[in-house]
Amino acid sequence: DTAVSQTPKYLVTQMGNDKSIKCEQNLGHDTMYWYKQDSKKFLKIMFSYNNKELIINETVPNRFSPKSPDKAHLNLHINSLELGDSAVYFCASSQGATAGQPQHFGDGTRLSIL
Amino acid sequence: QKEVEQNSGPLSVPEGAIASLNCTYSDRGSQSFFWYRQYSGKSPELIMSIYSNGDKEDGRFTAQLNKASQYVSLLIRDSQPSDSATYLCAVDPGGYNKLIFGAGTRLAVHP
Repeated sequence: DTAVSQTPKYLVTQMGNDKSIKCEQNLGHDTMYWYKQDSKKFLKIMFSYNNKELIINETVPNRFSPKSPDKAHLNLHINSLELGDSAVYFCASSQGATAGQPQHFGDGTRLSIL
Repeated sequence: QKEVEQNSGPLSVPEGAIASLNCTYSDRGSQSFFWYRQYSGKSPELIMSIYSNGDKEDGRFTAQLNKASQYVSLLIRDSQPSDSATYLCAVDPGGYNKLIFGAGTRLAVHP
């Protein structure tokens, strides 16, 4: 039973396209996150939702739009993909949004822009 | 200025030795600290959390925190080749559980 699952695992697409990544957690957690890990393996937070409400919105281009239909799901839509968007995108979840809650990561979506 | 700093390595230790991984952070008000292990091509896996000064032990792993020095470390005793991975230090500066990650230290345990 996968706790935090992302689809697709791999995504290869051309510059300018629009794509979505989906994330689901079955841990009963209230809080979910999107992280980007670039080619230098640097992991950086992008967004966080707590019970469907956006609570963290880092300096990310407007082309990236998260959406949480319910607290078990957090999707990421990316418009007009650029070469610099190539990275691994990780979804994570935690029990809540208060400080100190351990975060559990999905397996990642490797996005490659041609 | 980087908020969480780690030596990128690789840190090479022989099997059975103690591996010592270090991390410093810039936000003095940080309250929560985590160590994640990431195998190549895999997701980060939480291995330790620490919230107060001192040592916290879990099996072969010991996390050490010194808030005055803004320093957190991870010791791995009896290192095994299966411990070879990148170890990420993560700090929560407080508020909404936003983790700031270091760039990671690559550990290589050789037989």
